[in-house]
Amino acid sequence: DQQVKQNSPSLSVQEGRISILNCDYTNSMFDYFLWYKKYPAEGPTFLISISSIKDKNEDGRFTVFLNKSAKHLSLHIVPSQPGDSAVYFCAANAGNNRKLIWGLGTSLAVNP
Amino acid sequence: GAGVSQSPSNKVTEKGKDVELRCDPISGHTALYWYRQRLGQGLEFLIYFQGNSAPDKSGLPSDRFSAERTGESVSTLTIQRTQQEDSAVYLCASSLASTAQYFGPGTRLLVL
Repeated sequence: DQQVKQNSPSLSVQEGRISILNCDYTNSMFDYFLWYKKYPAEGPTFLISISSIKDKNEDGRFTVFLNKSAKHLSLHIVPSQPGDSAVYFCAANAGNNRKLIWGLGTSLAVNP
Repeated sequence: GAGVSQSPSNKVTEKGKDVELRCDPISGHTALYWYRQRLGQGLEFLIYFQGNSAPDKSGLPSDRFSAERTGESVSTLTIQRTQQEDSAVYLCASSLASTAQYFGPGTRLLVL
């Protein structure tokens, strides 16, 4: 059973526009959420995280929104740049359990 | 070093042989994780070390898989009697007790 779901395997946007990557989760015990970016042949790179006590966290062009009632989070990238083209993974964990549960990823293509 | 390093970067082995993968975490990081990513799939948790606590081995797929960590430094993941389904990218990550995990570049294992 997939506890963290990224229902869009791919997304294509134009340079300069907003990219919105979505993630849904089923486990109400999750209290910490992270987004990672992965380029081919490299390990995932941490992007941004959010605790369940917040509903928004912003870092430069990246903003993560958390809707606990809907068990949904999203990553907004604005403006999108061609270098943002990568696979984006959503991950979550619960309490002191540092084991991350991962989504299957969304491949983002930002077109010049 | 500045980041998590893994060796070898690539490994090709024959079915039935044993392989050993190495991970050097970021200095000072108390937690170390092993994941694998098979082709077209998401990240799959394998094992987690935190300080001197007993490791969380709940993700190891079979008793052919084992891992060790010396103190808060190097870890090795050993796969005995490799099978073709073990072919994957094996990723190591480290973190401080309550921060995001930082990944190495991975070891690409191909079992022929």
